[in-house]
Amino acid sequence: AQSVTQLDSQVPVFEEAPVELRCNYSSSVSVYLFWYVQYPNQGLQLLLKYLSGSTLVKGINGFEAEFNKSQTSFHLRKPSVHISDTAEYFCAVSDRGQGGSEKLVFGKGTKLTVNP
Amino acid sequence: GAGVSQSPSNKVTEKGKDVELRCDPISGHTALYWYRQSLGQGLEFLIYFQGNSAPDKSGLPSDRFSAERTGGSVSTLTIQRTQQEDSAVYLCASSPSRGFSYNSPLHFGNGTRLTVT
Repeated sequence: AQSVTQLDSQVPVFEEAPVELRCNYSSSVSVYLFWYVQYPNQGLQLLLKYLSGSTLVKGINGFEAEFNKSQTSFHLRKPSVHISDTAEYFCAVSDRGQGGSEKLVFGKGTKLTVNP
Repeated sequence: GAGVSQSPSNKVTEKGKDVELRCDPISGHTALYWYRQSLGQGLEFLIYFQGNSAPDKSGLPSDRFSAERTGGSVSTLTIQRTQQEDSAVYLCASSPSRGFSYNSPLHFGNGTRLTVT
């Protein structure tokens, strides 16, 4: 079974500073990896995904993430954050259906707060 | 276009009562998922439907929880004899086809906030 660990429950940063939200996963099989974002009082929306190919994945709003198989990590980064990036970010993993299901397993989330 | 619709958006119920939560997926989406989001706990998988069948219901916390899907469309999550620990936001998501991850992500509804008093 897969699992996801988001090491930081809260990350405060100043506007225009860089940010990295950490995500580590465990799985005995190959995986797909995702980051979802939940803005205040809104539903979840996909930020970016890694399926195969290049390990550096670019998403919406200037975010990117790098898949590191040896470290089983998929950290999310943005070089310069805006106030509007304040949200909760969820990392998720799928075992590509090899476990008999195609569910996404989510981490507990990281609340990013961007301060002026 | 229309997204995933969930109703009610908020539900307050007394301990011991039964509740039904409804999910209308995006038209044509064959895969449907229920998740529970509790404060500080992230998203907890409950059940997955492909069409009307549920290949994975491993996340249902107890036999008080059940779900069904009819006509390959609307799904209902039922919680019997609600307990205070059932208080959470219940999220529904859908995807167009088997293998959601290939070309299309899960599309989430805005959830039903359940409060058990």
